[in-house]
Amino acid sequence: EAQVTQNPRYLITVTGKKLTVTCSQNMNHEYMSWYRQDPGLGLRQIYYSMNVEVTDKGDVPEGYKVSRKEKRNFPLILESPSPNQTSLYFCASSQAPRYEQYFGPGTRLTVT
Amino acid sequence: GEDVEQSLFLSVREGDSSVINCTYTDSSSTYLYWYKQEPGAGLQLLTYIFSNMDMKQDQRLTVLLNKKDKHLSLRIADTQTGDSAIYFCAERSDNAGNMLTFGGGTRLMVKP
Repeated sequence: EAQVTQNPRYLITVTGKKLTVTCSQNMNHEYMSWYRQDPGLGLRQIYYSMNVEVTDKGDVPEGYKVSRKEKRNFPLILESPSPNQTSLYFCASSQAPRYEQYFGPGTRLTVT
Repeated sequence: GEDVEQSLFLSVREGDSSVINCTYTDSSSTYLYWYKQEPGAGLQLLTYIFSNMDMKQDQRLTVLLNKKDKHLSLRIADTQTGDSAIYFCAERSDNAGNMLTFGGGTRLMVKP
C-alpha cells in the first residue's frame, strides 16, 4: 500500500530536549515536505527536499532541521524545542508533474 | 508572499449542495487542489484542476476555476454527514517549485 508514515504520532516533551520525528514514504517520490498546522493558520511549510541531499527552507524554518540521506526518509529534527513549536506536524511526499502532496497521519507535539 | 484565502465555516443540511470558495493571488498558479481533513487524520487529496481548465467533475464533486478572478470553488452535491470535515484549497505555481500554498481551511458541518 502506497503510504507516508510518521513516528511518533504523539509526543510530549520539555523545553530544550532534542527530538526527531521520522517520516518515510514507499512511493519512490522525489519531493518530500514538512508542514505544521496551527488553528486558523492552515498549513505552513517548514522545509522541503527535492531529492537526496537537496533541502530548502519553507515559510517557517526557524528552530527546525531536516536531512535527506535516503530517498524514502525525511526526518524533522528539533534541536532545542520551545513551547511555540507545540503543533500538529505533517510530512508529505509528491512527484512531478502534478505535485499533489500525499500526507502522513500527523504527529501531535506538545512542548512544555 | 502569495496568499490563499477561504471562509472559515460552512453549515448545510444533509442532501443539500455545499459550495466552498477559495481565492488566491498567484497569477502563475499551475495546479490547484482540494484536500479534505477529517478529525484526527491527515489531509486527503480530493481532486485537483490544472490552470488551463475551467471545470472538473468527479462524481459528487465539481471544481470550478475562474482564472481571471483567481477564484476556485468546490461543489459537493447531495452532501452527507460523512462529508463533515475541514476542506483546504492549495495552489502551486512554477515560481515556487515544489511548494504548495494552502488556505486556512473551511470547516464544513452537515446537519441531519
